[in-house]
Amino acid sequence: ELKVEQNPLFLSMQEGKNYTIYCNYSTTSDRLYWYRQDPGKSLESLFVLLSNGAVKQEGRLMASLDTKARLSTLHITAAVHDLSATYFCAVDMSSGGSNYKLTFGKGTLLTVNP
Amino acid sequence: SQTIHQWPATLVQPVGSPLSLECTVEGTSNPNLYWYRQAAGRGLQLLFYSVGIGQISSEVPQNLSASRPQDRQFILSSKKLLLSDSGFYLCAWSARRDTVYGYTFGSGTRLTVV
Repeated sequence: ELKVEQNPLFLSMQEGKNYTIYCNYSTTSDRLYWYRQDPGKSLESLFVLLSNGAVKQEGRLMASLDTKARLSTLHITAAVHDLSATYFCAVDMSSGGSNYKLTFGKGTLLTVNP
Repeated sequence: SQTIHQWPATLVQPVGSPLSLECTVEGTSNPNLYWYRQAAGRGLQLLFYSVGIGQISSEVPQNLSASRPQDRQFILSSKKLLLSDSGFYLCAWSARRDTVYGYTFGSGTRLTVV
């Protein structure tokens, strides 16, 4: 059974600081996704990482994937209040044929303080 | 472009009443469809997924059922709701093996069973 672990689960940051959220998963997969969720809202896709060594950046967020280590990171640079949200990583695996499904980590609740 | 619609947005139902949540996708064909639930706290649990009309896979034994009567329609149902069915229900779709665009989520239904 695929397990996805995120840490930390809670992160309180000061504006302007840098930090990294980690996502480990238990079985081989080369597809990993990062989502953002604002309170009371649905999931917004941030990054799709499809191969070992993939790195993607959008604004103050950068995501990377190391499939050999089964590790993805979401790096936050010079945090601003607008980044406050819950961030989820999710791993995609097949149980056979077209039966792909997404397994989520528990999420990291990020609070950026002025 | 592809869009996913989910309704209703909010629902308050008494214990023992039936449930029907609907999800439709536009702008694509043969999508994989998914129902997730996010209970109090933050984790997302996969409830059902479907790779085609009439093909439903259940991930967790529970009080709910799903159906896919048309290619781009996915329905979540219950005959008698329990208090524990309360939560935020999210429908999602993916384009079969091509996961370049990842999984896209609907806006969600917040269900409160009273």
